[in-house]
Amino acid sequence: SQTIHQWPATLVQPVGSPLSLECTVEGTSNPNLYWYRQAAGRGLQLLFYSVGIGQISSEVPQNLSASRPQDRQFILSSKKLLLSDSGFYLCAWSRDRINSPLHFGNGTRLTVT
Amino acid sequence: DQQVKQNSPSLSVQEGRISILNCDYTNSMFDYFLWYKKYPAEGPTFLISISSIKDKNEDGRFTVFLNKSAKHLSLHIVPSQPGDSAVYFCAASDHRDDKIIFGKGTRLHILP
Repeated sequence: SQTIHQWPATLVQPVGSPLSLECTVEGTSNPNLYWYRQAAGRGLQLLFYSVGIGQISSEVPQNLSASRPQDRQFILSSKKLLLSDSGFYLCAWSRDRINSPLHFGNGTRLTVT
Repeated sequence: DQQVKQNSPSLSVQEGRISILNCDYTNSMFDYFLWYKKYPAEGPTFLISISSIKDKNEDGRFTVFLNKSAKHLSLHIVPSQPGDSAVYFCAASDHRDDKIIFGKGTRLHILP
């Protein structure tokens, strides 16, 4: 069966510090990978998605970036965090075929202070 | 521009009764629709989906109805149980695209 791992579960970082959140998927190959953010009082906002190694599509071009160095690894990064980057970050995967649902990790609660 | 809208931020339903969660979309190219359930501090869990070639899909206590002409879908939960208290997200996608767009969610409270 497939599993998705996301870490860390919680993170408190000062403004201006860098960020690296990692997500890995097991039990499947060539998944589509996604980063979403849930800010306070808001829905799930799509940040980035990837259909293959090195292929990244950005939906919210801010001070965040994403990379996919391996087939089942997806990394969310920032060089300098802003207060507005606080939120609940969710990694998800889906099969590389149409009409395939997303399966989410347990999320990372990021607080920028 | 919000392509998937859940206009009710919250909903309270008596245990045992039917819960009806609503969702509207604006993009006529969407052809696959999903519902997710989310508890606090956890990732959303996939509940049920429907493709645009159908108008109804049922899985146990959960039924999703799709009205393409109205660009509206709904999730029915019957009978409602205490464990159904959670935030429910509606989502939609276009098969030509790999993006899945979510609404802002509706918080469902099941009352004893």
